[in-house]
Amino acid sequence: GENVEQHPSTLSVQEGDSAVIKCTYSDSASNYFPWYKQELGKRPQLIIDIRSNVGEKKDQRIAVTLNKTAKHFSLHITETQPEDSAVYFCAASRGGGYQKVTFGTGTKLQVIP
Amino acid sequence: GAVVSQHPSWVICKSGTSVKIECRSLDFQATTMFWYRQFPKQSLMLMATSNEGSKATYEQGVEKDKFLINHASLTLSTLTVTSAHPEDSSFYICSATIAGARDEQYFGPGTRLTVT
Repeated sequence: GENVEQHPSTLSVQEGDSAVIKCTYSDSASNYFPWYKQELGKRPQLIIDIRSNVGEKKDQRIAVTLNKTAKHFSLHITETQPEDSAVYFCAASRGGGYQKVTFGTGTKLQVIP
Repeated sequence: GAVVSQHPSWVICKSGTSVKIECRSLDFQATTMFWYRQFPKQSLMLMATSNEGSKATYEQGVEKDKFLINHASLTLSTLTVTSAHPEDSSFYICSATIAGARDEQYFGPGTRLTVT
């Protein structure tokens, strides 16, 4: 089955700096890669996703890059703000809506004011 | 749109009893629902994939006789934890995908189960 590794497990940055979270996956058939933000005790919130036919996607301060050959993808948050502090999860799926999503182990991001 | 609810939001039960958690898609039809368990400071671990009208597919290591899943309609899936033990205490989250659409999962708010 799919295995998703995520690094780092914790990340502290100064407000305004950038944060980068990296993930690798094992299943070459995976083609959908969502990123989630989860605050304590709440549901995961989709913040951005990318599909295998795209190498990079950006949405305001958030960007994701995908290298299918190397089987890794990364989340980039620029100009971090205290409200970005949360746990972030990468995930991978074969897509199609009925396929299961495998989550990474999570990164606790702390943005220091 | 694409709202998923869960009930109850939290529940405390005694060891040995059973508890049922409901997951509903409020404004869309969901042919597939997923059940996850999340222990403190850990990731979401998929327990089972539930398809309307058919038996759930359980992940390796998840006891299907202990975690009963029923997906009786396109808007409702239930997870019943039978003979609950303190180690079943966790955060249970469901998600659903929109029939005919692609990829994105819509998550419920989760249910905090505490077994005493």
